[in-house]
Amino acid sequence: EVQLVESGGGLVQPGGSLRLSCVASGFTFSTYEMNWVRQAPGKGLEWVSYINGRDSRGGPTYYADSVRGRFTISRDDAKNSLYLQMTSLREEDTAMYFCARDAGPLAARPLDYWGQGTLVTVSS
Amino acid sequence: DIQMTQSPSSLSASVGDRVTITCRPSQSIGRYLNWYQQRPGRAPKLLVSATFTLQSGVPSRFSGSGSGTEFSLTISSLQREDVGTYFCQQSFSTPFTFGQGTKLEIK
Repeated sequence: EVQLVESGGGLVQPGGSLRLSCVASGFTFSTYEMNWVRQAPGKGLEWVSYINGRDSRGGPTYYADSVRGRFTISRDDAKNSLYLQMTSLREEDTAMYFCARDAGPLAARPLDYWGQGTLVTVSS
Repeated sequence: DIQMTQSPSSLSASVGDRVTITCRPSQSIGRYLNWYQQRPGRAPKLLVSATFTLQSGVPSRFSGSGSGTEFSLTISSLQREDVGTYFCQQSFSTPFTFGQGTKLEIK
């Protein structure tokens, strides 16, 4: 059974940092591209970032304009883990953060499995 | 960036009704259109990928159609468990933008 479990959320002051983690199980993590998607309270879904699959060292990563330069996506395939390092946090970054598996280009890249999310609250 | 315009933003229908949600990208995206269902307090769930492909376990009353710049998700006979918010998403190019969502309620 595919499972994605996020952690690392919490309350942080504006300007602070947090590192989110997502541990994957039930599939060969290294062969899949992964994404972070967030949802502000009562709002819609916002795609945040993407990282390539196998041989991702030096491979492409992509970011939403709203987080580029502040957030960094990474992965450790030996630990079946995806990360999101968030710096210079703003109140508008307050959201539930989901990690999601990308089914790949042959399937037109849908996000086929999602974690339950971890809540990040940026407030003074 | 590709903007996704989803309509309606909310919808109230009766059990057994046929319901259609529309998504219009700001430019052609081929078949790179996906639909998700999000029940209250839960993570989104993929329903339909690549415009037409129903995910395993998704009831056959759900179907997707369209191409280019107009896409639809149809529920042929609405059931109570279909309550939730539905989102379209383009996976043609980054940023992989979502529609604003359609909140579906039962009358």
